[in-house]
Amino acid sequence: GAVVSQHPSRVICKSGTSVKIECRSLDFQATTMFWYRQFPKQSLMLMATSNEGSKATYEQGVEKDKFLINHASLTLSTLTVTSAHPEDSSFYICSASGGGGTDTQYFGPGTRLTVL
Amino acid sequence: AQSVAQPEDQVNVAEGNPLTVKCTYSVSGNPYLFWYVQYPNRGLQFLLKYITGDNLVKGSYGFEAEFNKSQTSFHLKKPSALVSDSALYFCAVRGGSSNTGKLIFGQGTTLQVKP
Repeated sequence: GAVVSQHPSRVICKSGTSVKIECRSLDFQATTMFWYRQFPKQSLMLMATSNEGSKATYEQGVEKDKFLINHASLTLSTLTVTSAHPEDSSFYICSASGGGGTDTQYFGPGTRLTVL
Repeated sequence: AQSVAQPEDQVNVAEGNPLTVKCTYSVSGNPYLFWYVQYPNRGLQFLLKYITGDNLVKGSYGFEAEFNKSQTSFHLKKPSALVSDSALYFCAVRGGSSNTGKLIFGQGTTLQVKP
């Protein structure tokens, strides 16, 4: 199956700093990448959808100036949490799809963000 | 509005017994249905999907799922459970009329297989 990586797997930062999370599709070209947030023992909450070379589409209630998404190539998308606060602590998961309505989303292993 | 329901928060089965994890959905147009599994502190692993064709779909690790249009269900099944199957399972749906690729996830069902 298709492989998606995320880096870092865990990050601890101080309140007010910015954190960048990378998502890479290793063996396929990802036309579309998705960023999710997951709280403990809960389902995934879609934050935004990004297509290569265009601006991300954010879900309602997600601050685009706080969660900056860049999808500069067909294999890399980044999520930057700007001026992070403790309430931003969460498990962030990306997924990648080769495109097309029937295509499968393949998920990265996730990034555990802890903001002190 | 599109939605997915997994009515059971947790399913407990004994090793070697058959297991079923339930999922029902509501979408406009033909549904595209997916099952994923998540182990602790990990991302989601794709198990199987239904797009069209045979209602019984076979996937990874011996899992299968049956698409039932009249009951709008897509239950996940395995004939003989393993302790290593213990994990969190998510059902997801994308409406056939959707061109964004967005998935709607159920709330997840924890499967506990006891030796």
